[in-house]
Amino acid sequence: AQSVTQLGSHVSVSEGALVLLRCNYSSSVPPYLFWYVQYPNQGLQLLLKYTSAATLVKGINGFEAEFKKSETSFHLTKPSAHMSDAAEYFCAVSDQGGSEKLVFGKGMKLTVNP
Amino acid sequence: DTGVSQDPRHKITKRGQNVTFRCDPISEHNRLYWYRQTLGQGPEFLTYFQNEAQLEKSRLLSDRFSAERPKGSFSTLEIQRTEQGDSAMYLCASSLAGTGHGYTFGSGTRLTVV
Repeated sequence: AQSVTQLGSHVSVSEGALVLLRCNYSSSVPPYLFWYVQYPNQGLQLLLKYTSAATLVKGINGFEAEFKKSETSFHLTKPSAHMSDAAEYFCAVSDQGGSEKLVFGKGMKLTVNP
Repeated sequence: DTGVSQDPRHKITKRGQNVTFRCDPISEHNRLYWYRQTLGQGPEFLTYFQNEAQLEKSRLLSDRFSAERPKGSFSTLEIQRTEQGDSAMYLCASSLAGTGHGYTFGSGTRLTVV
């Protein structure tokens, strides 16, 4: 079985500060890992994905994440937060080559203060 | 490519009524997924199709829920005898199997059962 842990539910940063959203996963098979962003009353938009190529993955809007197998982590970072980054962020894991259904974490609401 | 479309965006229904949601995936995508998202939680997998075949159903999908994907194109999700606990956002997503590209999500249908 696969699972994702996103500790905490809310993080607040100042505009221009570093954004760090943590994600740890559990998977018995080589995983695909994803970060999605959700704005209020919207669906989910893919930020970036890890599919067993480069361990440092760059995504849209200046976000990046690093896959660390030894730590079973896939933390999301952005060097400088922008007001438009305020949203909810979900980490997800799926199997490779199977159903590819996603198992999501509970999400992290990011607030950016001026 | 117009993305994944879901209809309606919002639905308010009385307890005990039946409701049906529609999802139109990206035309070249052979997989279609349904997820349910309740307040403060990440999306949870309900079911998925590869072409017209329904390949997996979650235990969350009680007998009151049924999904179809006739001809491998659009899909419908029906909930019979709705209950207040069915209130949630229902998300549809589509993908091309085996590419690891991740899903494209629709904007969701928000169901409120009163």
